[in-house]
Amino acid sequence: GQQLNQSPQSMFIQEGEDVSMNCTSSSIFNTWLWYKQDPGEGPVLLIALYKAGELTSNGRLTAQFGITRKDSFLNISASIPSDVGIYFCAGQSNAGNMLTFGGGTRLMVKP
Amino acid sequence: EAQVTQNPRYLITVTGKKLTVTCSQNMNHEYMSWYRQDPGLGLRQIYYSMNVEVTDKGDVPEGYKVSRKEKRNFPLILESPSPNQTSLYFCASSSPNRGRSPLHFGNGTRLTVT
Repeated sequence: GQQLNQSPQSMFIQEGEDVSMNCTSSSIFNTWLWYKQDPGEGPVLLIALYKAGELTSNGRLTAQFGITRKDSFLNISASIPSDVGIYFCAGQSNAGNMLTFGGGTRLMVKP
Repeated sequence: EAQVTQNPRYLITVTGKKLTVTCSQNMNHEYMSWYRQDPGLGLRQIYYSMNVEVTDKGDVPEGYKVSRKEKRNFPLILESPSPNQTSLYFCASSSPNRGRSPLHFGNGTRLTVT
């Protein structure tokens, strides 16, 4: 099946720092989604991207849908302790098709 | 409140003892899906359903069954659980027919098979 490579797998940063993570695919996607998973909870949608080149923000989070439709990145600015969690990218070929998830980026923030 | 509800949240069982994990959504979503989450492997799809009485295999369907008799419910059945099915399971739903409708996830069921 399709593969999504998400990097980095984990990162440990100081509070206040910016952080960036990305996903690349061997296949084209028409939708890119970014989720965050807190410990003991299910993933929660952060940002949805539906158009190549689209740049979307949600507070301190910014995500972009790559022009080639094979990649996406998520930036978090001025990190805070509650940003701790696992971030997942997900790609979807067409509405109704199943999502393919990246392996996740575990973010740890030191106060 | 719009939500996906899974039960139980935690389950410890023994090899071979049939079990069912329930999933219910109150958003009138057509699409429902089950994932398992394992360290280093991310979320992998087990089964999905596009609508009532329509189910299809995902990436890792072996050892699992599902049913979709009603729109709101999508139970995951393990007829004869094995230790390699120890995992964190998530149910999710969305409404592709309404256009842009990302997946909404339940809070997960942590299953341990001894």
